[in-house]
Amino acid sequence: DVKVTQSSRYLVKRTGEKVFLECVQDMDHENMFWYRQDPGLGLRLIYFSYDVKMKEKGDIPEGYSVSREKKERFSLILESASTNQTSMYLCASSLKGGGTRKKYFGPGTRLTVT
Amino acid sequence: AQKVTQAQTEISVVEKEDVTLDCVYETRDTTYYLFWYKQPPSGELVFLIRRNSFDEQNEISGRYSWNFQKSTSSFNFTITASQVVDSAVYFCALRLDTGRRALTFGSGTRLQVQP
Repeated sequence: DVKVTQSSRYLVKRTGEKVFLECVQDMDHENMFWYRQDPGLGLRLIYFSYDVKMKEKGDIPEGYSVSREKKERFSLILESASTNQTSMYLCASSLKGGGTRKKYFGPGTRLTVT
Repeated sequence: AQKVTQAQTEISVVEKEDVTLDCVYETRDTTYYLFWYKQPPSGELVFLIRRNSFDEQNEISGRYSWNFQKSTSSFNFTITASQVVDSAVYFCALRLDTGRRALTFGSGTRLQVQP
């Protein structure tokens, strides 16, 4: 069974803090993704990575950065957290290839920035 | 750019009723893939189905069925004889065959099935 795990289910941080959200997958997937989920907006892509040290911006990368030093781990970094980054963050992974590749999602991290 | 619209924000039905969740998509590409995901209260997205743009056959899986119509750019999802365990948020998503490998999601439909 593919497993995508995220370091925390719930996180509370203060404005201005640097925040790390970690995602690990155990199926040797090349592709990894970070999405943000907000009510009424669905899931929006922040960043994705298709290989170690490779990354591409998604639809809403502002205020975020990512790191992929190892194939199994994809980190989302909030350099200086702000209240408008309070959201649910979902990580996903898939094998490389086209649209047929099934995407597996982690359980999500609900981040609150106060 | 591609877009997925789920016009129904929230639907409430009574157990055993049939319910259809609508999904309309926009893309200029001729090859693409459509997906439905279920997000139960636990939060994890559960894959339900994937359809490619060349396969317009409707699909049935138990109480679930999907109606894909390219002419109207729709990929609707029907649950027959709904159950309380079907209560969740359902997302429709689109992925192109070229370029970015990520999914474009609709805003989701919250389904509440009352006992």
